Order: sequence, then C-alpha cells, then structure tokens
Amino acid sequence: EDQVTQSPEALRLQEGESSSLNCSYTVSGLRGLFWYRQDPGKGPEFLFTLYSAGEEKEKERLKATLTKKESFLHITAPKPEDSATYLCAVQKDSNYQLIWGAGTKLIIKP
Amino acid sequence: DAGITQSPRHKVTETGTPVTLRCHQTENHRYMYWYRQDPGHGLRLIHYSYGVKDTDKGEVSDGYSVSRSKTEDFLLTLESATSSQTSVYFCAISWDNANTGELFFGEGSRLTVL
Repeated sequence: EDQVTQSPEALRLQEGESSSLNCSYTVSGLRGLFWYRQDPGKGPEFLFTLYSAGEEKEKERLKATLTKKESFLHITAPKPEDSATYLCAVQKDSNYQLIWGAGTKLIIKP
Repeated sequence: DAGITQSPRHKVTETGTPVTLRCHQTENHRYMYWYRQDPGHGLRLIHYSYGVKDTDKGEVSDGYSVSRSKTEDFLLTLESATSSQTSVYFCAISWDNANTGELFFGEGSRLTVL
C-alpha cells in the first residue's frame, strides 16, 4: 500500500538548535516528493520539489534531501518564525495524484 | 499570493442539511482541487477538475459532489451533511497536471456538522 509517514509528530527546539524532520515513503513509482509549510489557520505553502535520489534543495535555513526511501528537511539555526507544521507529499508516476503525510509540527522557542 | 478565495471560511450546520463551499481563483489555472484535512491524517483529495465541466473523483469522494461551470469557480457540495464530514476543507489550484505537486492553496473552510 502506498504510504507516507512523517516523524516526529512534533518537535520542540530552542532558537538556533539545528535538527531534521523525516518523511519516509513506500510508493510504486515515485515521480516527485514535495515539501510544504503550513501556518495555523492557513493553507499549505509550497517549499520544494525533489525528483531523484541525491537531489538537494535549499531555501534560507531549510534544506531538503532525498534518498530512495525517505526525505529529510534539515533546519539550520532555526528562528521562532520557522515554527509551523511541515508537510510532505509524494507524487506517483502512474496518476500524478499526491499522497500526503500527516505532518510534523515544529515549535522554535526563543 | 495566489488569488484563491474560499467561502464561507467558517460554517456550522446540522446533520442532514445541504452545504456548498465555493472556491474562486483569479489565476486562470486549469486544475482545481478540493481536499479535506483532519487531525492525524494527511490531506485527502475529494474531487478535482481539469477544466470547465470536467471533473473526477479523488480518494474520499463519497458524500460529495462538485461543479465547475466557469474556469474561476469550483463548488463543493455536501448533499446531506454528516458529522463525519466535519473537517477543514482546502481548495487548491495548479497550472497543469504534470506539476500537480506544486499547488497553491486557499485559506480553508472550517465546517462543523452537529
């Protein structure tokens, strides 16, 4: 069964304390993996697309990486404004539909 | 920000009543989607549209119908609301099917069915 699992469910960090969020997936035929950020009461906001193992994308304090079974979202020296829920989704090459993880809620304390 | 407006933003209704949620876009994107988001679950696709009057079912379409009579509007209807349809509903758009991983979302409509 196609599945996307994100861990941990929640992560509390001090400002400046770097860490990583995990997105593991089991799908038959991956076309792409996507990371989104969601603030409370808002819709998800697109961050990154990754297509092949070994690929990396960066944006400010965030870096996303991809292997054949999982993706990591690395957060370097986070600030309180990085607090949000981070969602990942995978797209199958057979029907283009997205399979979403349940998200990781990140809290950065000043 | 992508021009996507959802209405109403909040609604409380009773079991058995019909409910329609509206999504309006000003981006002229071809593809439009309705998702629901529930605690502990990933976003789940209800229905999507790939053009005017062209719609298809997603993974959780039972109890929902959609219509798209204009490029800019995509309506989601619950013919007879049930408590299991209490959720936050998000509309999303994308330019083409090949890029459906890069979606622009509205701010959501919170529906409570009593």
